[in-house]
Amino acid sequence: DAKTTQPPSMDCAEGRAANLPCNHSTISGNEYVYWYRQIHSQGPQYIIHGLKNNETNEMASLIITEDRKSSTLILPHATLRDTAVYYCIAPSGSARQLTFGSGTQLTVLP
Amino acid sequence: DAGVIQSPRHEVTEMGQEVTLRCKPISGHDYLFWYRQTMMRGLELLIYFNNNVPIDDSGMPEDRFSAKMPNASFSTLKIQPSEPRDSAVYFCASRLAGAYEQYFGPGTRLTVT
Repeated sequence: DAKTTQPPSMDCAEGRAANLPCNHSTISGNEYVYWYRQIHSQGPQYIIHGLKNNETNEMASLIITEDRKSSTLILPHATLRDTAVYYCIAPSGSARQLTFGSGTQLTVLP
Repeated sequence: DAGVIQSPRHEVTEMGQEVTLRCKPISGHDYLFWYRQTMMRGLELLIYFNNNVPIDDSGMPEDRFSAKMPNASFSTLKIQPSEPRDSAVYFCASRLAGAYEQYFGPGTRLTVT
């Protein structure tokens, strides 16, 4: 797996956009970038994934730089329920098995 | 679908006892993964199965740990004998072949005293 680097923690005001960065400078051309989150005491939850184009779904948007060395997960209108640890992962195994790092603890403030 | 089901949700046992954790993946999913989460080591992949066959068990910490998948709808993770350092939350996840996302269960919190 490509090594990913994320800030350990971030705060965001409720209702504002949360922008979570991730560096993955060693990512190879066919490795996707995945984002998962883990709300306290729950199992991780898939958010979104992308290869080189920007992606959007009902949960979030994923912006990947043209050189693919970094990406940003955007939660457009953060709510208190979005408080969680967010993991950026670039799996390379044939089964796309996940290697979790330390992630970013996002705290949404009222 | 009910999602990935794990049982028990909580298990407290004494050192030396055998512990069996159970997982029912989402129906039709081809891959099943077992993870362990601790404060010290974070989330670690222990083993995964494809079509009920163990593919990679390199994350299993030692011979005290074993996992089986006798059929497509059931898997077990067994620890024998258990030790206090095995205390952790154990997650099971499943994925459909060709899909990208894994679906995680609620986890089993294991405490070994």
